[in-house]
Amino acid sequence: DGGITQSPKYLFRKEGQNVTLSCEQNLNHDAMYWYRQDPGQGLRLIYYSQIVNDFQKGDIAEGYSVSREKKESFPLTVTSAQKNPTAFYLCASSSSVHNEQFFGPGTRLTVL
Amino acid sequence: ELKVEQNPLFLSMQEGKNYTIYCNYSTTSDRLYWYRQDPGKSLESLFVLLSNGAVKQEGRLMASLDTKARLSTLHITAAVHDLSATYFCAVAFPDSNYQLIWGAGTKLIIKP
Repeated sequence: DGGITQSPKYLFRKEGQNVTLSCEQNLNHDAMYWYRQDPGQGLRLIYYSQIVNDFQKGDIAEGYSVSREKKESFPLTVTSAQKNPTAFYLCASSSSVHNEQFFGPGTRLTVL
Repeated sequence: ELKVEQNPLFLSMQEGKNYTIYCNYSTTSDRLYWYRQDPGKSLESLFVLLSNGAVKQEGRLMASLDTKARLSTLHITAAVHDLSATYFCAVAFPDSNYQLIWGAGTKLIIKP
């Protein structure tokens, strides 16, 4: 089955901790994205990557970091510098930046 | 500024009725997407609209795009309870390197 997987589904973080959210796709897509969604809100772009070993900041990159060492993987690290990280995090991929994005199931992060 | 505005943001309607959700955007684009999100879930792609005058239909949902008016509509015909969800439109602007700018979403509740 082709698709996008995210793990974990739920994640709890203590203040001051860094945590890493996993995103894997087997769709052979070049482009991958990370979004943040707050309750009752739309999506905001954190980072995106058009190709392996390259990524760009989105609208709200501060306090987050990413890597793209493999085509199928695009992990997101939420650092302690992110002051309000509690949110629903969605990973997406597309064959190129010009094409339709497909979403993973999401990770719900809560700061304790 | 690149903006995408949806209205209404909340809509409660009876089964069997028709209604339309509107998506306005601020500047030139010929690439617009509609997604559906169920509570606590990820996003599901509904429609991809790629040219002026594009119309797509799937079951009781029909989406259209008027690039001259910078307007897309999502029309619901004879609503049924299963269509209750939040609907998002997203626009790819050349000025944002085709990264999607998202509307705030329309929460649709369909009562039996």
